[in-house]
Amino acid sequence: AQSVAQPEDQVNVAEGNPLTVKCTYSVSGNPYLFWYVQYPNRGLQFLLKYITGDNLVKGSYGFEAEFNKSQTSFHLKKPSALVSDSALYFCAVIPRGSGTYKYIFGTGTRLKVLA
Amino acid sequence: NAGVTQTPKFQVLKTGQSMTLQCAQDMNHEYMSWYRQDPGMGLRLIHYSVGAGITDQGEVPNGYNVSRSTTEDFPLRLLSAAPSQTSVYFCASTPGRVYETQYFGPGTRLLVL
Repeated sequence: AQSVAQPEDQVNVAEGNPLTVKCTYSVSGNPYLFWYVQYPNRGLQFLLKYITGDNLVKGSYGFEAEFNKSQTSFHLKKPSALVSDSALYFCAVIPRGSGTYKYIFGTGTRLKVLA
Repeated sequence: NAGVTQTPKFQVLKTGQSMTLQCAQDMNHEYMSWYRQDPGMGLRLIHYSVGAGITDQGEVPNGYNVSRSTTEDFPLRLLSAAPSQTSVYFCASTPGRVYETQYFGPGTRLLVL
């Protein structure tokens, strides 16, 4: 079965330190890859996506993610965390060429940035 | 643009009652979808539509119906509510290509007693 794994339920990081939120996937072929963020009592907001080209993708609010085909990973990173980055982060994939819009989401990782 | 709007924001139902969750978008997006969000399970796709008159099932469609009579609206119907349908429901829309960004509504929190 196709799936997305976010192995950490919660990540704690001190403000100013680099952060990483992990995502691995098990999907046939090369999927389209996405990161979304959810603030309390809000809908999800788009952060960044990988479609093709450079494996390092830059997105909103200083976030970036690296597509690693051999490790089937798409980890989210930021060089210097802010308290305002504290939120719930979701990785999502959709198989390329599947002909469907059946996005597969991970279970989410709660990021807590400590002042 | 208002983006994606959902009503109501919060609803309490008794087991067996029916209701419709409303979703509308004013961006002329072709693709719309419904998800439910449960703790520890992320978002799971219920139903989606690739255009007016076309709908398909997602991962967890049982107990839910949808229709898409216009591009703008994509209501989700609970036929006979069950406690297992207690969740937060999100509607999303996408311009038209599968790799484009999804725009999410603010969500509807549903409690079934």
